[in-house]
Amino acid sequence: AQTVTQSQPEMSVQEAETVTLSCTYDTSESNYYLFWYKQPPSRQMILVIRQEAYKQQNATENRFSVNFQKAAKSFSLKISDSQLGDTAMYFCAFTTNAGGTSYGKLTFGQGTILTVHP
Amino acid sequence: DSGVTQTPKHLITATGQRVTLRCSPRSGDLSVYWYQQSLDQGLQFLIQYYNGEERAKGNILERFSAQQFPDLHSELNLSSLELGDSALYFCASSAQGMNTEAFFGQGTRLTVV
Repeated sequence: AQTVTQSQPEMSVQEAETVTLSCTYDTSESNYYLFWYKQPPSRQMILVIRQEAYKQQNATENRFSVNFQKAAKSFSLKISDSQLGDTAMYFCAFTTNAGGTSYGKLTFGQGTILTVHP
Repeated sequence: DSGVTQTPKHLITATGQRVTLRCSPRSGDLSVYWYQQSLDQGLQFLIQYYNGEERAKGNILERFSAQQFPDLHSELNLSSLELGDSALYFCASSAQGMNTEAFFGQGTRLTVV
Protein backbone atom coordinates (compact mmCIF):
# COMPACT_ATOMS: atom_id res chain seq x y z
CA ALA A 1 0.00 0.00 0.00
CA GLN A 2 1.13 3.51 -0.73
CA THR A 3 1.53 6.05 2.06
CA VAL A 4 2.15 9.78 1.96
CA THR A 5 3.52 11.68 4.95
CA GLN A 6 3.59 15.40 5.55
CA SER A 7 5.48 16.03 8.76
CA GLN A 8 4.70 19.74 9.08
CA PRO A 9 1.15 20.35 10.36
CA GLU A 10 1.58 24.12 10.15
CA MET A 11 3.99 26.55 8.54
CA SER A 12 4.11 30.30 8.32
CA VAL A 13 6.03 32.71 6.11
CA GLN A 14 6.28 36.42 5.55
CA GLU A 15 4.95 37.87 2.33
CA ALA A 16 7.57 37.84 -0.47
CA GLU A 17 9.67 35.22 1.34
CA THR A 18 10.28 31.61 0.29
CA VAL A 19 8.89 28.56 2.06
CA THR A 20 9.35 24.83 1.54
CA LEU A 21 6.77 22.21 2.43
CA SER A 22 7.95 18.63 2.94
CA CYS A 23 6.45 15.36 1.77
CA THR A 24 7.69 11.79 1.79
CA TYR A 25 6.00 8.76 0.31
CA ASP A 26 6.36 5.04 0.24
CA THR A 27 5.63 2.80 -2.72
CA SER A 28 6.96 -0.23 -4.52
CA GLU A 29 5.68 1.02 -7.86
CA SER A 30 8.08 2.39 -10.44
CA ASN A 31 5.60 4.39 -12.50
CA TYR A 32 3.65 6.99 -10.57
CA TYR A 33 2.72 10.62 -10.29
CA LEU A 34 3.05 13.05 -7.40
CA PHE A 35 0.98 16.16 -6.90
CA TRP A 36 0.63 19.14 -4.66
CA TYR A 37 -2.93 20.37 -4.15
CA LYS A 38 -3.96 23.61 -2.51
CA GLN A 39 -7.16 23.94 -0.49
CA PRO A 40 -7.95 27.57 0.36
CA PRO A 41 -10.74 28.54 2.78
CA SER A 42 -13.20 28.15 -0.11
CA ARG A 43 -12.52 24.37 0.24
CA GLN A 44 -11.90 23.95 -3.48
CA MET A 45 -9.10 21.47 -4.25
CA ILE A 46 -6.77 23.15 -6.72
CA LEU A 47 -3.90 21.39 -8.43
CA VAL A 48 -0.69 23.34 -7.91
CA ILE A 49 1.93 21.17 -9.57
CA ARG A 50 2.49 17.64 -10.89
CA GLN A 51 5.61 15.49 -11.18
CA GLU A 52 5.96 12.32 -13.22
CA ALA A 53 8.22 9.78 -11.53
CA TYR A 54 9.98 8.90 -14.79
CA LYS A 55 11.09 12.49 -15.30
CA GLN A 56 14.33 13.51 -13.64
CA GLN A 57 13.73 17.20 -14.15
CA ASN A 58 11.90 18.91 -11.30
CA ALA A 59 8.55 20.44 -12.24
CA THR A 60 8.01 24.19 -12.00
CA GLU A 61 4.89 26.31 -12.32
CA ASN A 62 5.60 30.02 -11.99
CA ARG A 63 6.42 30.62 -8.30
CA PHE A 64 5.95 26.95 -7.41
CA SER A 65 8.65 24.32 -7.85
CA VAL A 66 9.34 20.87 -6.49
CA ASN A 67 12.43 19.04 -5.33
CA PHE A 68 11.82 15.44 -6.36
CA GLN A 69 14.28 12.95 -4.88
CA LYS A 70 13.14 9.57 -6.19
CA ALA A 71 15.66 7.44 -4.33
CA ALA A 72 14.81 9.14 -1.06
CA LYS A 73 11.08 9.12 -1.91
CA SER A 74 10.89 12.79 -1.11
CA PHE A 75 8.78 15.42 -2.86
CA SER A 76 8.96 18.94 -1.40
CA LEU A 77 7.19 22.06 -2.63
CA LYS A 78 8.95 25.41 -2.73
CA ILE A 79 6.88 28.56 -2.94
CA SER A 80 8.87 31.63 -3.91
CA ASP A 81 7.77 35.25 -3.43
CA SER A 82 4.93 34.12 -1.15
CA GLN A 83 1.66 36.00 -1.52
CA LEU A 84 -1.27 36.43 0.84
CA GLY A 85 -3.38 34.36 -1.55
CA ASP A 86 -1.09 31.40 -0.98
CA THR A 87 -2.58 30.99 2.50
CA ALA A 88 -4.22 27.56 2.38
CA MET A 89 -3.93 23.92 3.34
CA TYR A 90 -1.50 22.12 1.04
CA PHE A 91 -1.79 18.43 0.35
CA CYS A 92 0.81 16.15 -1.15
CA ALA A 93 -0.74 13.30 -3.14
CA PHE A 94 0.36 10.15 -4.91
CA THR A 95 -1.19 8.09 -7.66
CA THR A 96 -0.26 5.15 -9.83
CA ASN A 97 -1.92 3.31 -12.65
CA ALA A 98 -1.30 -0.10 -11.18
CA GLY A 99 -4.17 -2.34 -12.22
CA GLY A 100 -5.20 0.09 -14.91
CA THR A 101 -7.47 2.14 -12.69
CA SER A 102 -6.21 5.41 -14.17
CA TYR A 103 -4.57 8.20 -12.29
CA GLY A 104 -7.39 9.84 -10.42
CA LYS A 105 -7.28 7.54 -7.41
CA LEU A 106 -5.17 9.61 -5.05
CA THR A 107 -3.54 8.90 -1.73
CA PHE A 108 -3.19 12.12 0.23
CA GLY A 109 -0.92 13.24 3.02
CA GLN A 110 -2.32 14.80 6.15
CA GLY A 111 -1.87 18.33 4.88
CA THR A 112 0.16 21.37 5.91
CA ILE A 113 -1.58 24.62 6.83
CA LEU A 114 0.42 27.48 5.35
CA THR A 115 -0.17 31.01 6.58
CA VAL A 116 1.37 33.94 4.73
CA HIS A 117 1.75 37.03 6.92
CA PRO A 118 1.81 40.58 5.53
CA ASP B 1 -14.19 26.48 -12.22
CA SER B 2 -13.06 22.85 -12.51
CA GLY B 3 -16.06 21.78 -14.59
CA VAL B 4 -17.13 19.25 -11.95
CA THR B 5 -20.47 20.07 -10.35
CA GLN B 6 -21.62 18.77 -7.00
CA THR B 7 -25.01 19.25 -5.41
CA PRO B 8 -26.05 20.16 -2.83
CA LYS B 9 -23.29 22.35 -1.41
CA HIS B 10 -24.53 21.92 2.14
CA LEU B 11 -26.68 19.27 3.74
CA ILE B 12 -27.87 18.98 7.33
CA THR B 13 -29.65 15.83 8.39
CA ALA B 14 -30.41 13.77 11.47
CA THR B 15 -28.80 10.55 12.61
CA GLY B 16 -30.30 7.45 11.06
CA GLN B 17 -31.33 9.23 7.89
CA ARG B 18 -30.29 8.61 4.30
CA VAL B 19 -28.95 11.21 1.86
CA THR B 20 -27.85 11.27 -1.75
CA LEU B 21 -25.00 13.39 -3.05
CA ARG B 22 -24.82 14.13 -6.75
CA CYS B 23 -21.85 14.73 -9.03
CA SER B 24 -21.68 15.75 -12.68
CA PRO B 25 -18.20 15.16 -14.12
CA ARG B 26 -16.40 17.31 -16.63
CA SER B 27 -17.64 16.88 -20.16
CA GLY B 28 -16.07 13.79 -21.67
CA ASP B 29 -14.58 12.41 -18.44
CA LEU B 30 -15.49 8.77 -17.95
CA SER B 31 -14.03 8.29 -14.46
CA VAL B 32 -15.63 9.61 -11.28
CA TYR B 33 -14.04 9.40 -7.85
CA TRP B 34 -15.53 10.06 -4.45
CA TYR B 35 -13.46 11.28 -1.51
CA GLN B 36 -14.29 12.01 2.11
CA GLN B 37 -12.51 14.75 4.04
CA SER B 38 -12.92 14.71 7.80
CA LEU B 39 -10.92 16.18 10.66
CA ASP B 40 -9.84 12.83 12.08
CA GLN B 41 -9.39 10.80 8.88
CA GLY B 42 -8.11 13.45 6.50
CA LEU B 43 -8.79 13.03 2.78
CA GLN B 44 -9.71 9.47 1.94
CA PHE B 45 -10.56 7.80 -1.35
CA LEU B 46 -13.94 6.08 -1.20
CA ILE B 47 -14.77 4.65 -4.60
CA GLN B 48 -14.20 5.02 -8.35
CA TYR B 49 -16.53 4.43 -11.25
CA TYR B 50 -15.48 4.23 -14.86
CA ASN B 51 -18.10 4.44 -17.59
CA GLY B 52 -20.79 3.06 -15.33
CA GLU B 53 -18.81 0.30 -13.70
CA GLU B 54 -17.18 0.18 -10.30
CA ARG B 55 -13.40 0.23 -10.86
CA ALA B 56 -11.79 0.65 -7.44
CA LYS B 57 -12.86 0.69 -3.84
CA GLY B 58 -11.21 2.40 -0.91
CA ASN B 59 -12.28 2.91 2.67
CA ILE B 60 -15.99 3.01 1.96
CA LEU B 61 -18.38 1.88 4.66
CA GLU B 62 -21.01 -0.75 3.89
CA ARG B 63 -23.66 1.86 4.72
CA PHE B 64 -22.40 3.89 1.75
CA SER B 65 -22.95 3.04 -1.89
CA ALA B 66 -22.47 4.76 -5.20
CA GLN B 67 -23.40 4.40 -8.82
CA GLN B 68 -22.67 6.02 -12.15
CA PHE B 69 -25.48 6.49 -14.61
CA PRO B 70 -25.44 6.24 -18.44
CA ASP B 71 -25.11 10.02 -18.70
CA LEU B 72 -21.98 9.62 -16.51
CA HIS B 73 -23.24 11.56 -13.52
CA SER B 74 -22.70 9.80 -10.23
CA GLU B 75 -24.52 9.59 -6.92
CA LEU B 76 -23.16 8.71 -3.51
CA ASN B 77 -25.76 7.30 -1.16
CA LEU B 78 -25.14 7.49 2.58
CA SER B 79 -27.55 5.62 4.84
CA SER B 80 -28.08 5.06 8.57
CA LEU B 81 -26.12 8.21 9.11
CA GLU B 82 -24.03 8.66 12.23
CA LEU B 83 -22.52 11.77 13.77
CA GLY B 84 -19.11 10.60 12.57
CA ASP B 85 -20.23 10.74 8.95
CA SER B 86 -20.18 14.53 9.12
CA ALA B 87 -17.56 15.53 6.60
CA LEU B 88 -16.84 17.21 3.30
CA TYR B 89 -17.50 14.86 0.40
CA PHE B 90 -15.66 15.54 -2.84
CA CYS B 91 -16.27 14.22 -6.27
CA ALA B 92 -13.51 14.30 -8.87
CA SER B 93 -13.39 13.28 -12.49
CA SER B 94 -10.67 12.42 -14.94
CA ALA B 95 -10.20 11.24 -18.48
CA GLN B 96 -8.86 7.74 -19.01
CA GLY B 97 -5.24 7.19 -19.85
CA MET B 98 -1.80 8.56 -19.08
CA ASN B 99 -1.06 12.08 -17.97
CA THR B 100 -4.52 12.70 -16.65
CA GLU B 101 -5.22 14.60 -13.48
CA ALA B 102 -8.27 14.54 -11.29
CA PHE B 103 -10.43 17.67 -11.29
CA PHE B 104 -12.35 18.24 -8.10
CA GLY B 105 -15.79 19.62 -7.48
CA GLN B 106 -16.43 22.12 -4.70
CA GLY B 107 -17.63 19.43 -2.33
CA THR B 108 -20.76 18.77 -0.33
CA ARG B 109 -20.58 19.66 3.35
CA LEU B 110 -22.61 17.05 5.24
CA THR B 111 -23.56 17.73 8.83
CA VAL B 112 -25.27 14.98 10.79
CA VAL B 113 -27.00 16.18 13.95
